[in-house]
Amino acid sequence: ETGVTQTPRHLVMGMTNKKSLKCEQHLGHNAMYWYKQSAKKPLELMFVYNFKEQTENNSVPSRFSPECPNSSHLFLHLHTLQPEDSALYLCASSSPGTNEAFFGQGTRLTVV
Amino acid sequence: AQRVTQPEKLLSVFKGAPVELKCNYSYSGSPELFWYVQYSRQRLQLLLRHISRESIKGFTADLNKGETSFHLKKPFAQEEDSAMYYCDQGGADGLTFGKGTHLIIQP
Repeated sequence: ETGVTQTPRHLVMGMTNKKSLKCEQHLGHNAMYWYKQSAKKPLELMFVYNFKEQTENNSVPSRFSPECPNSSHLFLHLHTLQPEDSALYLCASSSPGTNEAFFGQGTRLTVV
Repeated sequence: AQRVTQPEKLLSVFKGAPVELKCNYSYSGSPELFWYVQYSRQRLQLLLRHISRESIKGFTADLNKGETSFHLKKPFAQEEDSAMYYCDQGGADGLTFGKGTHLIIQP
């Protein structure tokens, strides 16, 4: 247990659905991240939030919409996804003091 | 932009053989470097960091500023070392992961 919790663990959604992934940490970290991990592809950074401000958006399609209401919670809102968006979505948080990353277990997303 | 390079996507070695996973970084300041490991069906987790200079599960990594490298080494590979390994450079812009190396230890 790393202190970073992601829900749900598994999600199956249709291409017309709207769903949200949730990430929560109570480690006192100021930075939170969304990563996409697809089979046979490298870990892809999607979004970075520092002190609730989005500091990086790695050319992610607009069908992925992040939200960081406070420094402990991070959401990824999904709508009109494509089958190729099926992947493991990982949340991580880090502290600027150490830069060590703590990862959640991920949400396994399947788009049908 | 900061960049971390792991040149090998896949590395296969026999049990008992030495292992070296390569990592080169680009941060010109004082980098903070980490190795993360992801075993099958488990979450990504920290393996070791250069600041602590410790050995975890028999792995060590030495920061070489001249070569801007932080290679991960183990003298005798074990089957349970099979996993994905990611090198990470934590700098002013936060985390910068390499593309990962899939290590397979053959019996």
